[in-house]
Formats: sequence, structure tokens, C-alpha cells
Amino acid sequence: AQSVTQLDSQVPVFEEAPVELRCNYSSSVSVYLFWYVQYPNQGLQLLLKYLSGSTLVESINGFEAEFNKSQTSFHLRKPSVHISDTAEYFCAVSPSLPGGGNKLTFGTGTQLKVEL
Amino acid sequence: GAVVSQHPSWVICKSGTSVKIECRSLDFQATTMFWYRQFPKQSLMLMATSNEGSKATYEQGVEKDKFLINHASLTLSTLTVTSAHPEDSSFYICSARRKLASHPPYNEQFFGPGTRLTVL
Repeated sequence: AQSVTQLDSQVPVFEEAPVELRCNYSSSVSVYLFWYVQYPNQGLQLLLKYLSGSTLVESINGFEAEFNKSQTSFHLRKPSVHISDTAEYFCAVSPSLPGGGNKLTFGTGTQLKVEL
Repeated sequence: GAVVSQHPSWVICKSGTSVKIECRSLDFQATTMFWYRQFPKQSLMLMATSNEGSKATYEQGVEKDKFLINHASLTLSTLTVTSAHPEDSSFYICSARRKLASHPPYNEQFFGPGTRLTVL
């Protein structure tokens, strides 16, 4: 079984400031790691994922996350946030089973609020 | 591409009635659809996995007779909450996974916008 912990339920930050959203996980098997973003009244959208290879993964809109196996973490960072980044962010894991399966286990989410 | 819709976006019903929620993949065929439930300030909890043309697989603790899932086509899955009670009030979210010819290490889930159910 897997579990995901997002300790910060809300993170307020000023525009153009850096931000880090924390995610830790627990699993007895190897996992894939994900960050999803949910804008108001919309479905979850995949922001970035780690499947294998380089532990640093990036999204097209400037977010990055680094897989740290020893610390079982996958924190999300952005060096300079924009007002449009205001949203709910969910960290998720999935067992890296051959052939798929791929059930997702989500954290409780972090509300990022970017202020002017 | 890869858009998933849900209908209705919100519904209010009386206790004891049944409510049907639809999940559609608009621009792709989905062999697998997932149904989640989300309580305020909590994570999404997987309720069941449905594969087209077969019975849904329910997670432990989810009553299959309470939450009826039908996946009759490659673009539509429905969740029916039978004899709804106030404790069934929640945000229900579906996701869909593409039908692919190959088997990549991970087949992404695409999420619908969710349906807010309020049972009075």
C-alpha cells in the first residue's frame, strides 16, 4: 500500500516569489510520482511526473520537482510564481507495476494562493 | 485532446432517491475509467475501477450495491448512487485512461471536472 503526505494545506505567497510545495510518500514497492493541478471548477491536470531516469523533472510552465528516494520526497518548486498559478496542487503516487495497473494514491492537496 | 466531461456538474436530491452521474471521454476511447470521491480538505479516494464491457472492481469498503457503476461503451461510464443519504454528499470525480495499442510504463489518467452531490 502507498500513502502520500502533503503537510501544507495552504501556502500563501507573493507574486514573483519562489515557492515549494512539499510531498512525502510511503511505499513498500517502487513508485511513479506525480503532481496534479486543479484550477477552480476544473478537473485535475497532470503537471509533471517522474517515471524513471533523471530525478529532476520539469513542467512547461516553470514548475519542477525532484525525486529524492532516500528522503521519500517529491517536492514541487517554482522560482517565481504568477497570479495564474493560484490553484490546488495534489501529489500522487502509483506502483510501478509492469504492464500498468497504475492506481493512483493522492495526498490531501495544497492550496497555493498567489497574492499581488 | 484527452477531454473528460461529467454530467451533471452538481446535483441536489432528497434522501432515499437515486442519482446517476455520467462520465464521458470526448475525444478518445477509454478502456478504463476510474471513480473517485473527495471530501472537503481530503484527498481523492478511489472508489472503483471499471473496464469497458466488464464488471467494476470496487475498493475495499465501497459498497457495490450502493454505488452502481456501468461502463457500457468506450466513451461512457456511469455512477449511480442508490438510495442516497446525507452521508453520501460529496464531490465525485471520474478519470479515463486511453485505449492504446502499445503498453507504455504508465498510461495517463485524464480527469473530469467532478460532480458535487448534495443529499438533503
